[in-house]
Amino acid sequence: EDQVTQSPEALRLQEGESSSLNCSYTVSGLRGLFWYRQDPGKGPEFLFTLYSAGEEKEKERLKATLTKKESFLHITAPKPEDSATYLCAVRGSTLGRLYFGRGTQLTVWP
Amino acid sequence: NAGVTQTPKFRVLKTGQSMTLLCAQDMNHEYMYWYRQDPGMGLRLIHYSVGEGTTAKGEVPDGYNVSRLKKQNFLLGLESAAPSQTSVYFCASSPRLAGVHRGRSEQYFGPGTRLTVT
Repeated sequence: EDQVTQSPEALRLQEGESSSLNCSYTVSGLRGLFWYRQDPGKGPEFLFTLYSAGEEKEKERLKATLTKKESFLHITAPKPEDSATYLCAVRGSTLGRLYFGRGTQLTVWP
Repeated sequence: NAGVTQTPKFRVLKTGQSMTLLCAQDMNHEYMYWYRQDPGMGLRLIHYSVGEGTTAKGEVPDGYNVSRLKKQNFLLGLESAAPSQTSVYFCASSPRLAGVHRGRSEQYFGPGTRLTVT
């Protein structure tokens, strides 16, 4: 069965303290891995799509990487405005279905 | 360009009542989706549509029905609400279908509808 596990569940960082979020997946033939950001009371906001092991994408302080079993979202020198829940999702074997992880709640304090 | 909008934003129902959630998108996307989000769980797909007049079941379809009469609208119906359907409901749309098309298959989400069934 297709599964997505994100760790840690929660992460507190001081402003400027870089770190990484993990997304481990088990799917029958990965057909896309997606990262989203979700602010409280709002819908998820698309960040990145990765398709192949070794692929990397960057946007401002965020960088997403992909291996055959997991993806990392690296946050460099985070700011308080980066505080949000980060969701990972994979498209596996079932047409039309994305499997979402439970998310990592990131808090960046000044 | 409003993106994906959802109506209503909040709703309280009594057990057994019915209601319809409306989703509209102005991006001319072919594919639309309904998810529910519960505390401690990831987003779960309820139903989705691959085009006007076509719908399919997702991971948790029981107790819900959907219709896509127009390309820009996707309706989610609860015929007889139950407390287990208390959740936050998100609609999403995408220009292409992940797994079938490579590239531009990311989903764009609406702001959500918070539904409480008492």
